[in-house]
Amino acid sequence: AQSVTQPDIHITVSEGASLELRCNYSYGATPYLFWYVQSPGQGLQLLLKYFSGDTLVQGIKGFEAEFKRSQSSFNLRKPSVHWSDAAEYFCAVGADSWGKLQFGAGTQVVVTP
Amino acid sequence: ETGVTQSPTHLIKTRGQQVTLRCSSQSGHNTVSWYQQALGQGPQFIFQYYREEENGRGNFPPRFSGLQFPNYSSELNVNALELDDSALYLCASSLAGSSSYEQYFGPGTRLTVT
Repeated sequence: AQSVTQPDIHITVSEGASLELRCNYSYGATPYLFWYVQSPGQGLQLLLKYFSGDTLVQGIKGFEAEFKRSQSSFNLRKPSVHWSDAAEYFCAVGADSWGKLQFGAGTQVVVTP
Repeated sequence: ETGVTQSPTHLIKTRGQQVTLRCSSQSGHNTVSWYQQALGQGPQFIFQYYREEENGRGNFPPRFSGLQFPNYSSELNVNALELDDSALYLCASSLAGSSSYEQYFGPGTRLTVT
């Protein structure tokens, strides 16, 4: 069965420090991969996507993610976090033939001064 | 470019009642997907609509149903509400085909069932 795992439920990071959020997926082929961010009480905003090609993808708000086929991972990174990056982050996999997204349980990011 | 909009923002219903949630797609998008997000969890896929027909369905009972209209807007209907239906309901729009995975979400409707 397809699955998406975000091992870290909660991460606390200092403002200005680097951030890495982990995502692992289980799927037979290379799926479409996404990272979304959700601020409290809000919908989901697409940060970046990977369909094929270069395994390092750039997104909005200074985020990037790297697809590693051998590790079935798609980790999200930001070199220097801002207080406004405090939010919940979801990794998602598009693996069916018609556009269903399967989401991980999310990682809550807290940014301290 | 107009983003995805949803109405209402919040809704309180009683167990056993029926509810209709509405979604307007981002301009240019012809596919709509609905997700349920329970508190503290990731969104769960309910179903997707394309060309006014259900294009795929997640693990939700038949009392969850939907419609898509010629202007690509959509409704989610839930009959015989249960307490566990309390959640944030998210609508997402996209283009068809492989682009259907690239989904843009609305702000959601918060449904509380008492």
